[in-house]
Amino acid sequence: QQPVQSPQAVILREGEDAVINCSSSKALYSVHWYRQKHGEAPVFLMILLKGGEQKGHDKISASFNEKKQQSSLYLTASQLSYSGTYFCGTGGYQKVTFGTGTKLQVIP
Amino acid sequence: GAGVSQSPRYKVAKRGQDVALRCDPISGHVSLFWYQQALGQGPEFLTYFQNEAQLDKSGLPSDRFFAERPEGSVSTLKIQRTQQEDSAVYLCASSLAKSGSSSGELFFGEGSRLTVL
Repeated sequence: QQPVQSPQAVILREGEDAVINCSSSKALYSVHWYRQKHGEAPVFLMILLKGGEQKGHDKISASFNEKKQQSSLYLTASQLSYSGTYFCGTGGYQKVTFGTGTKLQVIP
Repeated sequence: GAGVSQSPRYKVAKRGQDVALRCDPISGHVSLFWYQQALGQGPEFLTYFQNEAQLDKSGLPSDRFFAERPEGSVSTLKIQRTQQEDSAVYLCASSLAKSGSSSGELFFGEGSRLTVL
């Protein structure tokens, strides 16, 4: 089953923060996060493994709550380059099930 | 090349034609994947290779879809008797990870956009 992401879309001004949520109906052992700009390849941001650890990538970090079967991606002090569609993914690397996507647009 | 290379980038086919999409993974990457991405949707898993072995083809939508990686490097996704519902971007990804790894970053190519008329 496909993970559900919220919000579906968000518009931010440069410097604002955002949170993208990812919920799964199945038990989670790992969560992947990717960003895809229009017409481009998805690009890996990070992977979180079971254990609830928070990982970071520049000013983008994520948390993973396996009890709630949820993960959240935090974007702080957003930059124009953060614009794109964010996908969470569940399952092992061998077969990632990607979420519904969150379209993020950062404006000056 | 430095990244995953796919060709053709764009393909227009008439309904009923066969198409072949090529993927050249990052050198040394053991694992190779094909995903299908419909407009406005997330990528959907099609199939997974480790070297030349196709370990999972559970995502292939019908027996018209066939993938191969005969020498463990370049892969081809073939779609026979194309239908309009096959229109999508076909993404190839490769990874250093292999069975036994708990995690692995996927490196995606830019995709082949297939339009079936």
